[in-house]
Amino acid sequence: QKEVEQNSGPLSVPEGAIASLNCTYSDRGSQSFFWYRQYSGKSPELIMSIYSNGDKEDGRFTAQLNKASQYVSLLIRDSQPSDSATYLCAAPGGGTSYGKLTFGQGTILTVHP
Amino acid sequence: GAGVSQSPSNKVTEKGKDVELRCDPISGHTALYWYRQRLGQGLEFLIYFQGNSAPDKSGLPSDRFSAERTGESVSTLTIQRTQQEDSAVYLCASSFSVSGGTQYFGPGTRLTVL
Repeated sequence: QKEVEQNSGPLSVPEGAIASLNCTYSDRGSQSFFWYRQYSGKSPELIMSIYSNGDKEDGRFTAQLNKASQYVSLLIRDSQPSDSATYLCAAPGGGTSYGKLTFGQGTILTVHP
Repeated sequence: GAGVSQSPSNKVTEKGKDVELRCDPISGHTALYWYRQRLGQGLEFLIYFQGNSAPDKSGLPSDRFSAERTGESVSTLTIQRTQQEDSAVYLCASSFSVSGGTQYFGPGTRLTVL
């Protein structure tokens, strides 16, 4: 079983809609989670980090963490064509491997006008 | 500098040659990480350095891969006897510290092995 999984296939939403991206993880000891956005041909850039159960909002982005269900999600409200990118979920390793980020495979989001 | 820098941005080499990739972290960041991203794939952890501690090399795929870091500055990733499956984008990231520090990525080096 992969440590971090993003099962959603390519996601296409109309401009202005809410895009919902999902991620599950296997290590119950994971304490922090990160969402990165990666435009085609570019390096990942951090969008959100979340450490506590519940919601964390930043502008049009909301990260949600449910440690009991080992589930973390990213909601993008009022989606814009410029949000079209691959979104990567990541969690650090445990113990002495804390610095190692394990990434999901990514979800490709397309926002069409 | 303002961000993580990497050089070269692109490298084309022949199978069997050695290559060196360089990373300059953000000033003041004590932790430095190397990842590999094959075309259409997620990021694969290779190695990280934290200050003067022994590096975590658990992600290096074979003994052809090695990395060094001088103090808390520049790091080089060396791939010996390159193979075609080494073709990928090699990404470097740095953070203020390993324990929960946000990782900021450089632009990457695209390596193509012919």
